[in-house]
Amino acid sequence: DTEVTQTPKHLVMGMTNKKSLKCEQHMGHRAMYWYKQKAKKPPELMFVYSYEKLSINESVPSRFSPECPNSSLLNLHLHALQPEDSALYLCASSQGDRRSYEQYFGPGTRLTVT
Amino acid sequence: DQQVKQNSPSLSVQEGRISILNCDYTNSMFDYFLWYKKYPAEGPTFLISISSIKDKNEDGRFTVFLNKSAKHLSLHIVPSQPGDSAVYFCAASDSGGYQKVTFGTGTKLQVIP
Repeated sequence: DTEVTQTPKHLVMGMTNKKSLKCEQHMGHRAMYWYKQKAKKPPELMFVYSYEKLSINESVPSRFSPECPNSSLLNLHLHALQPEDSALYLCASSQGDRRSYEQYFGPGTRLTVT
Repeated sequence: DQQVKQNSPSLSVQEGRISILNCDYTNSMFDYFLWYKKYPAEGPTFLISISSIKDKNEDGRFTVFLNKSAKHLSLHIVPSQPGDSAVYFCAASDSGGYQKVTFGTGTKLQVIP
């Protein structure tokens, strides 16, 4: 199984709402990532979890709150977002060691903030 | 500061011909390079990678060339097929921060039947 799944596929939320994005992988990978991608731009790294611990936070605003309940699951909790946060949010996973840098991506959640 | 650049936003190639996608980087600490392919409404898919100890890596129709002195890499697709039409991202990492991959700006490849 080389699949990373993400739910929901699409999400529309108001600026006062609280919602969560979910990501799951069953490849035994120990590193998981959240990226944000705007139209015609490359994916931008937001967070990295390594062995279920937050190892990289790319100075992301606190209205985005990541959580890694176990090695297979990664959540991104959203609260009080702004319209400029509308984007494709991608989850990825990798083996998490120096033998492999390849990341496997999910299909993404298309988020619209109104 | 864009550390990984793909100067051609788009490229059109006839089916059966060679596609050459280029990538330049500025950070001399990068020592591992990857190419990803992305279809609309899907996440990027890993294609091929190369370590800085090599100058060429081949996998089927895909070959990546690395020129460390020029800080330049390229992806060759031979022969190009219509199914190769997608956005291609070059990415780079350094072994010190192996979990962090920096993506280039992307090149949209169109293979014309």
